[in-house]
Amino acid sequence: DTAVSQTPKYLVTQMGNDKSIKCEQNLGHDTMYWYKQDSKKFLKIMFSYNNKELIINETVPNRFSPKSPDKAHLNLHINSLELGDSAVYFCASRPQGAYYEQYFGPGTRLTVT
Amino acid sequence: AQKVTQAQTEISVVEKEDVTLDCVYETRDTTYYLFWYKQPPSGELVFLIRRNSFDEQNEISGRYSWNFQKSTSSFNFTITASQVVDSAVYFCALSESIAGFQGAQKLVFGQGTRLTINP
Repeated sequence: DTAVSQTPKYLVTQMGNDKSIKCEQNLGHDTMYWYKQDSKKFLKIMFSYNNKELIINETVPNRFSPKSPDKAHLNLHINSLELGDSAVYFCASRPQGAYYEQYFGPGTRLTVT
Repeated sequence: AQKVTQAQTEISVVEKEDVTLDCVYETRDTTYYLFWYKQPPSGELVFLIRRNSFDEQNEISGRYSWNFQKSTSSFNFTITASQVVDSAVYFCALSESIAGFQGAQKLVFGQGTRLTINP
C-alpha cells in the first residue's frame, strides 16, 4: 500500500514529443506538489494544488501543465519536450496545516533525447 | 526570499567516524519549519526530522542528532558512528508560507550534501 505513487518510473522520449506523468496519493492529504530535481540534485518546487485548486505556480515554462482531477491525483503534462527537461520529477503530498512534512513519491526519471 | 545553504557539497569519511552536515537558512517568517531529508542511491526522498522555530531543543534519534540554533540560523545534523548505509545525499529544507493560503507551504531546499561512508 504505497502512500504516494508515480507512473511511470522511467520515461525516455524524443525532443518535441508530449508526455504525461501521473501521481496518486492514498493518504487523504489535501495538498499535492510537483518538484523537479536536476542533474546536480537541486530540488525546486514547480506546482502545488490544494483541494484541486492551484496555489503555487513557480516560474515554469507554460509547456508544463499540471492537472488535478481530484485531491488524490495530480498529473503533469509536458508539451514539446526539450533536452533541458531531462530530470527527475517528484510528486509529494502533505496534510493541511503548516506543521507537517511532505511525503514524496519515488520519482520519475525523464530522459529527453 | 527564503534560502537554505548547505555549504558542504561532498563529505567522505571512514565508517564509524562521526560526521556533521551543516545547514544555514534565511527567512523573514517568524514561524517556520525546518526539515531534513535523505536521498539514498535508490533515489527516493526519505523524511528524517522536522523542527519548528519555537522549539530549540536538540533531538536525538539513535545515531542521528540535530542541533537547532536560532541565533545563528543553523540546523545541523550529526551522524554518530557512521555506517556504510548512511551513504546518501542529505537535504535540509525550510518551509515557506504561501500568501493567501493559510497553512499552505512549499519547501525550499538546500543544495544537498553527498555523504560517502567508506568501509
